[in-house]
Amino acid sequence: EIVMTQSPAILSVSPGERITLSCRASQSVSSNLAWYQQKPGLAPRLLIHGASTRATGIPARFSGGGSGTEFTLTISSLQSEDFAVYYCQQYDRWPLTFGGGTKAEIK
Amino acid sequence: EVQLVESGGGLVQPGRSLRLSCAASGFIFDDYVIHWVRQAPGKGLEWVSGISWNGGTVGYADSVKGRFTISRDNAKNSLHLQMNSLRPEDTALYYCAKVNDYGDYIDFWGQGTLVTVSS
Repeated sequence: EIVMTQSPAILSVSPGERITLSCRASQSVSSNLAWYQQKPGLAPRLLIHGASTRATGIPARFSGGGSGTEFTLTISSLQSEDFAVYYCQQYDRWPLTFGGGTKAEIK
Repeated sequence: EVQLVESGGGLVQPGRSLRLSCAASGFIFDDYVIHWVRQAPGKGLEWVSGISWNGGTVGYADSVKGRFTISRDNAKNSLHLQMNSLRPEDTALYYCAKVNDYGDYIDFWGQGTLVTVSS
């Protein structure tokens, strides 16, 4: 099983700030990496697939990078609606595995 | 519009069984791999099981292997998860989720059905 590790667990930030979330895989997953956003009481929403491709309708302030074992999700200027939990997930092979999540909270 | 609607959750005693269902609409159901993913209260996401378009390939997390069985009925656009020998640690919101056209990443999630295992 591929273990996904996200850091930090919590980010306390102010609106307008630029943030970078990290995700590490225990072995290479090539570019088979997705990022999801989850708000309280809602299902996760796909943000990024293929490590760097924005899903349909996702604003350009979200960008993904990396390949192999090291990945990042950057939000260039945090908006109020972006305060949420972010999960990375590898789909290179089953079992699909998720990182533990990074919560972006208001400072 | 793509829709995935889960049902069948509820309160069940440890050791008992429960069968979850997921009704799909708005896409050609039998073209897609579908997964079950769960989320314990206040915790992260955990993949539970997945099934290929024709049911020929299935997979399970180690935590549920031998206790849960995934199946699909393409004629009825429905997915099921038979959960036996339930444990308190199976308490979670269970999501049904479809993958994209190429069969890899999850691109859409249902709203989930809550399973609570408690005496």
